[in-house]
Amino acid sequence: EAQVTQNPRYLITVTGKKLTVTCSQNMNHEYMSWYRQDPGLGLRQIYYSMNVEVTDKGDVPEGYKVSRKEKRNFPLILESPSPNQTSLYFCASSFQIRARTDTQYFGPGTRLTVL
Amino acid sequence: DAKTTQPNSMESNEEEPVHLPCNHSTISGTDYIHWYRQLPSQGPEYVIHGLTSNVNNRMASLAIAEDRKSSTLILHRATLRDAAVYYCIPTNSGNTPLVFGKGTRLSVIA
Repeated sequence: EAQVTQNPRYLITVTGKKLTVTCSQNMNHEYMSWYRQDPGLGLRQIYYSMNVEVTDKGDVPEGYKVSRKEKRNFPLILESPSPNQTSLYFCASSFQIRARTDTQYFGPGTRLTVL
Repeated sequence: DAKTTQPNSMESNEEEPVHLPCNHSTISGTDYIHWYRQLPSQGPEYVIHGLTSNVNNRMASLAIAEDRKSSTLILHRATLRDAAVYYCIPTNSGNTPLVFGKGTRLSVIA
């Protein structure tokens, strides 16, 4: 089944404790991205990757890192989480973003709480 | 980015048709119009997209105004499972992300 998977689905952590949220897709997609969703602010893009070893900042990259060593994986790293990073996170992928007809596939979400 | 205007919320009875409107008066001539929806506690999912002509798929129909300044997503028979937030998203050319507005929260009453 074609899908985007994220782990963990729920995470409660404390300020400053490094964490990684994994994202994996099995559709051989070139493009992957991370969004966060907050009440009243909608979905905002954090980082995106056009292909392996190519990453770029989205609208709200501060406090986050990403890597794209393999095509299928795009982990989101919070080196020193803070309470303002408490949010619902979604990973998404598509075949390629240059084609304006491309569909993005979203993962199920990771709900992160930073105390 | 083209700005969109959608009603905050709409309500429908089960098995009735639902017409979800979207205004996108600043859309460029080459932007496609995508619709996504987000079911409760899930990630957004693709519904349909189009450029100029009306489009149909197994989930919905998309009616695009002749001047392309508005479009309407049509669910032919709403089910309880269709209760979600529906987003209308004009897509720019190039490497830009999807820009999700506030969308329309659709409630379906049994």
